[in-house]
Amino acid sequence: DTAVSQTPKYLVTQMGNDKSIKCEQNLGHDTMYWYKQDSKKFLKIMFSYNNKELIINETVPNRFSPKSPDKAHLNLHINSLELGDSAVYFCASSQGYGGDSPLHFGNGTRLTVT
Amino acid sequence: GENVEQHPSTLSVQEGDSAVIKCTYSDSASNYFPWYKQELGKGPQLIIDIRSNVGEKKDQRIAVTLNKTAKHFSLHITETQPEDSAVYFCAASSYNAGNMLTFGGGTRLMVKP
Repeated sequence: DTAVSQTPKYLVTQMGNDKSIKCEQNLGHDTMYWYKQDSKKFLKIMFSYNNKELIINETVPNRFSPKSPDKAHLNLHINSLELGDSAVYFCASSQGYGGDSPLHFGNGTRLTVT
Repeated sequence: GENVEQHPSTLSVQEGDSAVIKCTYSDSASNYFPWYKQELGKGPQLIIDIRSNVGEKKDQRIAVTLNKTAKHFSLHITETQPEDSAVYFCAASSYNAGNMLTFGGGTRLMVKP
């Protein structure tokens, strides 16, 4: 069984569109995250949710809005997509909250904005 | 905040040789140092981690060392195999940085058969 699953795996869309990426974890973890990996492979945290509550919101445009309907799900909505949003987006989860809890990553969603 | 630098950015070794990847961190309060392996088309996967009260940790062919005084830590892979080829990330966590992980820039390891 896949521990952290995100859909879709690939997403190609045009500038100005609105899109969503879904994430689900079946590990029973309390904390979920969204990370962005750019073309140079650099990983940067975007959001962190603990028990459905937003904990961290890094310097991310407000066009990006996470939504956590329950502990097992954390979706990412992106409005008015721009070329610079093209990247791979990873969902992750951890048992506890904090940097010393091992992260479990999904396999990523490659977003291409044309 | 925390800054983690990782070297080299690419590393090519012959099968059976050892590989070493080094990271430095800036925040002396950092206390947790994991290493992740990312294979093509997949998400990063934790392979080993070390906490600040330990100087070395080993798991089969993989070992990590930590030098708190110098603020650097290293990943050592012995007897490399082609399946070790991947991108490796170090990371550090500090309460001063909101207790969140800061990742290094990654090292692409290529093991030639």
